[in-house]
Amino acid sequence: AQSVTQLGSHVSVSEGALVLLRCNYSSSVPPYLFWYVQYPNQGLQLLLKYTSAATLVKGINGFEAEFKKSETSFHLTKPSAHMSDAAEYFCAVSEWTGNQFYFGTGTSLTVIP
Amino acid sequence: NAGVTQTPKFQVLKTGQSMTLQCAQDMNHNSMYWYRQDPGMGLRLIYYSASEGTTDKGEVPNGYNVSRLNKREFSLRLESAAPSQTSVYFCASIAPGGGYNEQFFGPGTRLTVL
Repeated sequence: AQSVTQLGSHVSVSEGALVLLRCNYSSSVPPYLFWYVQYPNQGLQLLLKYTSAATLVKGINGFEAEFKKSETSFHLTKPSAHMSDAAEYFCAVSEWTGNQFYFGTGTSLTVIP
Repeated sequence: NAGVTQTPKFQVLKTGQSMTLQCAQDMNHNSMYWYRQDPGMGLRLIYYSASEGTTDKGEVPNGYNVSRLNKREFSLRLESAAPSQTSVYFCASIAPGGGYNEQFFGPGTRLTVL
């Protein structure tokens, strides 16, 4: 089974600063990779996904992530944090042929004014 | 197009009571999922249904049963609730194509078992 590691359960950044949320996966075969965002008391929404096309993936709200096979990583970045980015972020992976998705434990992002 | 809907939104049970969480999707998706979300543990898969008529256990199935009533609906039943089942439960569905596609999530059911 796949596993997903998100380093840092809580990340705080100042408004306007770079956002970097880390995600590493365990797989010998590159899987499909996803970042989801969860706002308080809501379900998860897709931010972006990697499906073996470009290694740099752009998503909604100015977020992007880069797939690095050599590092088995899929870190999420945003050049300039906004107050509205405060939320919980989840990295997830799925396998080429499977129906199961594996989620990281989440990173809570706080944006300081 | 409502997407994925869940009922109820909130529920408080006493230990030993039973209840069914309902989930429906109107996107004609084949696969549906039930997760629980607990602080510091992310989302853990309880059961999933790859297609109508099939269900499979996920990571944490004990204490739960599911029914894939038809293509639209996938229910989760707690036969005898325990305090350890206090959690937020999310239903999700995915378009045909399996892991290539993203999951669509419902708004969640917040369950407290006293």
